[in-house]
Amino acid sequence: QQQVKQSPQSLIVQKGGIPIINCAYENTAFDYFPWYQQFPGKGPALLIAIRPDVSEKKEGRFTISFNKSAKQFSLHIMDSQPGDSATYFCAASHSNTGKLIFGQGTTLQVKP
Amino acid sequence: DAGVIQSPRHEVTEMGQEVTLRCKPISGHNSLFWYRQTMMRGLELLIYFNNNVPIDDSGMPEDRFSAKMPNASFSTLKIQPSEPRDSAVYFCASSRDRAHEQYFGPGTRLTVT
Repeated sequence: QQQVKQSPQSLIVQKGGIPIINCAYENTAFDYFPWYQQFPGKGPALLIAIRPDVSEKKEGRFTISFNKSAKQFSLHIMDSQPGDSATYFCAASHSNTGKLIFGQGTTLQVKP
Repeated sequence: DAGVIQSPRHEVTEMGQEVTLRCKPISGHNSLFWYRQTMMRGLELLIYFNNNVPIDDSGMPEDRFSAKMPNASFSTLKIQPSEPRDSAVYFCASSRDRAHEQYFGPGTRLTVT
């Protein structure tokens, strides 16, 4: 019930493509769903986050789509650039605890 | 505004030695989290503090691991004795409150030989 399952494990797209990373959760008490971006040798950095009262959130080229009934959420990167090449982690938590449960990560490579 | 500060950035030690990792959270943040990252297990929460009090240490692997937060601006994670399987990157993160966004430090890469 505490797991967050992320797919795919790795993804390669051409510049300008739209990579999509998917996550699924089981615990219906989760009410906060962030995405983190991590470059090699760096700590994860918060990219965008959503709460379950909305179905979509956009920040720049990054969009989260949220399907509460399916208990799934996904990250879309519009007009992807080589600089977006990184590892992306989804996560989920209950705001009462703040305890983030992370997905296994997706390594994205954007080819020039 | 300084982010989360961790030291050392790299630590190489021999099995059986004591290791102490340090973290300074962002000023004004009252929640602090310690994570461990490995290829096999991904990012795991070890322990977190709220207002300097440990709230959940269920992720601490065993008694060899201990963490303290003596004040709002400093925390330590200690491993004694260290073992090769403890080799990982250890991250500290802080947030304004436990319900808010967590900001990660650069991590400490620990290698136990």
